[in-house]
Amino acid sequence: GQSLEQPSEVTAVEGAIVQINCTYQTSGFYGLSWYQQHDGGAPTFLSYNGLDGLEETGRFSSFLSRSDSYGYLLLQELQMKDSASYFCALFRGAGSYQLTFGKGTKLSVIP
Amino acid sequence: DGGITQSPKYLFRKEGQNVTLSCEQNLNHDAMYWYRQDPGQGLRLIYYSQIVNDFQKGDIAEGYSVSREKKESFPLTVTSAQKNPTAFYLCASSIGQGSEQYFGPGTRLTVT
Repeated sequence: GQSLEQPSEVTAVEGAIVQINCTYQTSGFYGLSWYQQHDGGAPTFLSYNGLDGLEETGRFSSFLSRSDSYGYLLLQELQMKDSASYFCALFRGAGSYQLTFGKGTKLSVIP
Repeated sequence: DGGITQSPKYLFRKEGQNVTLSCEQNLNHDAMYWYRQDPGQGLRLIYYSQIVNDFQKGDIAEGYSVSREKKESFPLTVTSAQKNPTAFYLCASSIGQGSEQYFGPGTRLTVT
């Protein structure tokens, strides 16, 4: 089976940098995706790591290390609108089309 | 504008009734998915479809059924066999194999 662990809650100050970690256990997978979900809303895709290393998209960056079974999402220059839940998800690939989601990290950005 | 629509936003049903949730997309995506989300939890895959007239069970398919007669539409039926149907249901689609999925606004189903 597959399982992912994320911190349940994180609080950070506006303008600061925050890192949300994701550790996983799996017998095999293609990559790690990250999604953002505001309360009551739909998840939106943020980034995908198909290879080890850092992927940067604007203020958001994501990192994957397969040898450590670990990834993280880095949010820079935090804004109040970044307050949301963030989910890591294992992409099984190889024609399976399936994502396995973690339980999510609720980020609260405070002034 | 392209996107995914789900209707209704809120749905209330009595226990023992089947209910069908609508999902339509105009993104021309081949793959579509149904997820369930419970409070404070991640998303769990119910069913997915790679192409028209084909679909596969996800991790929690028991008590649910789907159809994929058209590329644009992937309705989900929550049957009376589903023991705990009250949840937030999300439909998604993807161009390729699913690492990047686009989600609809969701349907919040309450069964009493």
